[in-house]
Amino acid sequence: DADVTQTPRNRITKTGKRIMLECSQTKGHDRMYWYRQDPGLGLQLIYYSFDVKDINKGEISDGYSVSRQAQAKFSLSLESAIPNQTALYFCATSDPLTDTQYFGPGTRLTVL
Amino acid sequence: AQSVAQPEDQVNVAEGNPLTVKCTYSVSGNPYLFWYVQYPNRGLQFLLKYITGDNLVKGSYGFEAEFNKSQTSFHLKKPSALVSDSALYFCAVRAYQAGTALIFGKGTTLSVSS
Repeated sequence: DADVTQTPRNRITKTGKRIMLECSQTKGHDRMYWYRQDPGLGLQLIYYSFDVKDINKGEISDGYSVSRQAQAKFSLSLESAIPNQTALYFCATSDPLTDTQYFGPGTRLTVL
Repeated sequence: AQSVAQPEDQVNVAEGNPLTVKCTYSVSGNPYLFWYVQYPNRGLQFLLKYITGDNLVKGSYGFEAEFNKSQTSFHLKKPSALVSDSALYFCAVRAYQAGTALIFGKGTTLSVSS
């Protein structure tokens, strides 16, 4: 979806490296989210932010950190990547009136 | 605590037949319920939602879902399946209270054969 963009789309890295995944949205929403998707596990919430000064941990925040640089930008960092963080990562934003979430195209991360 | 269950990993149906993808939920208070679809190599797309009102909700691409409060279910349905409906479907819920995020089910793969 063009309203939510993620960079990079694919990334291969090595164990122990620091990685940053970036997300930008043009919907003008305050709320943004990071999820990871693993086969058979569905989407698990990593972090969410309801405005620039409000950041909350999700179900699986260990090993991850986030930065909300502006209303439109929400970055996810892996401080020291490990192989079990290999997954598909999605960023999303939501309309606070309807709770409808709009997803980015995803970043496929492989940690060797 | 909020939770969502999609009891079937995969649903197989022939083109033209009706389809149902099941979802049950657990939440304190009134639920907000959603269905999303994911096509291969794509992000999730919104299909429909239930907030309040009529228990039968109509959404995109001819899909509908029925909210059943007594059974805590929100099953996705379509009267006549298309091969192009083949995708991964996610049910999601959140409680009415402010400050909570959506919780997604594990997903159900729908396969429609011609």
